[in-house]
Amino acid sequence: AQSVAQPEDQVNVAEGNPLTVKCTYSVSGNPYLFWYVQYPNRGLQFLLKYITGDNLVKGSYGFEAEFNKSQTSFHLKKPSALVSDSALYFCAVRDIGAGGFKTIFGAGTRLFVKA
Amino acid sequence: EAGVTQFPSHSVIEKGQTVTLRCDPISGHDNLYWYRRVMGKEIKFLLHFVKESKQDESGMPNNRFLAERTGGTYSTLKVQPAELEDSGVYFCASGIAGAYEQYFGPGTRLTVT
Repeated sequence: AQSVAQPEDQVNVAEGNPLTVKCTYSVSGNPYLFWYVQYPNRGLQFLLKYITGDNLVKGSYGFEAEFNKSQTSFHLKKPSALVSDSALYFCAVRDIGAGGFKTIFGAGTRLFVKA
Repeated sequence: EAGVTQFPSHSVIEKGQTVTLRCDPISGHDNLYWYRRVMGKEIKFLLHFVKESKQDESGMPNNRFLAERTGGTYSTLKVQPAELEDSGVYFCASGIAGAYEQYFGPGTRLTVT
């Protein structure tokens, strides 16, 4: 069964420090991986995606994610956190190989960046 | 360009009542998706439209949920009769045919009391 796990409900980091939000996945075919962010009272915003190619993917707002096939992980990272990065982050996977467009989301990780 | 819009933003109804949620996708987007997030849990796929056709409705919880997309433009999701466990945030997303990105609306928060 396809699944996405975000093992941390919450991540706390000081402004200016690097941040990592963890994600692992399980799919039957080739994974298409995504990160979305949700700010209060807003819809989910697309951050970045991995389809193929370089394992390190760069996205919006200075975020990047590293695809690790052997560990089935797709952790979100940022070298220097900002207070404005505080939000709810969702990892997602779409198993295109199964012929569908169903996106499977993780439960979300709330990021708090302290000034 | 307007984004995906959803109406209402919040709905509070009593168990047994009917509620209809509406989603207006970005103009020209053939793909339209409905998702639901129950408090603190993952966002779960409900169904996928391509234009007016249901491509995948495997995530619909039961026959109390009915989604339509007449004319291939806006979509409605009706819950009848509503139960307590239907409470959550219902998200709609749209996308261009053949593209991977989905553009999400702000969601409708449904509370069933």
